[in-house]
Amino acid sequence: EADIYQTPRYLVIGTGKKITLECSQTMGHDKMYWYQQDPGMELHLIHYSYGVNSTEKGDLSSESTVSRIRTEHFPLTLESARPSHTSQYLCASSGPGAYRGYTFGSGTRLTVV
Amino acid sequence: DQQVKQNSPSLSVQEGRISILNCDYTNSMFDYFLWYKKYPAEGPTFLISISSIKDKNEDGRFTVFLNKSAKHLSLHIVPSQPGDSAVYFCAASPLNNDMRFGAGTRLTVKP
Repeated sequence: EADIYQTPRYLVIGTGKKITLECSQTMGHDKMYWYQQDPGMELHLIHYSYGVNSTEKGDLSSESTVSRIRTEHFPLTLESARPSHTSQYLCASSGPGAYRGYTFGSGTRLTVV
Repeated sequence: DQQVKQNSPSLSVQEGRISILNCDYTNSMFDYFLWYKKYPAEGPTFLISISSIKDKNEDGRFTVFLNKSAKHLSLHIVPSQPGDSAVYFCAASPLNNDMRFGAGTRLTVKP
């Protein structure tokens, strides 16, 4: 049973549209992350949050924005989608202790046409 | 700066044989090392981890070896099964800090 949920699983959208990718977790984790991953490439960190009202940009420059108003919810928004945004977006959360690793959602496969 | 490197993008082995996936890292501050398994259209799932104070950790068919002096870790799967076919990501993190991931190795286990 998944403890971290991402919706939608798949999304095809036209250029210029605004989209929000949803991510929710039920584990009470303070730390949450958004990664972007293309086939054969490493996971690129685009945003992270260490708690409510805390958000930071990751290593990979991204035109997306995030918010963290509630512990369990960490949505990612693209104000104006472009074909270069086509990718898989993975949300993750982690609890205390690095040895526990991250729990990932199932991902959102975004295609911008 | 890619701190975690998986230099083999793919690996193919026969069912029943051993699969060895390799990973190198550059940051000597990494304290924990993890392997994740990812199926297409799904998120990565945690497989096995090892802390820097150990050189080996075993869980069933999966064993992770850590060579700190060489900054190298490997994942051994024995015996390999067709259901093991997936992309395997190596990850590393300093204590209580954020994780860095490799590019992944696609393992194919042939029946």
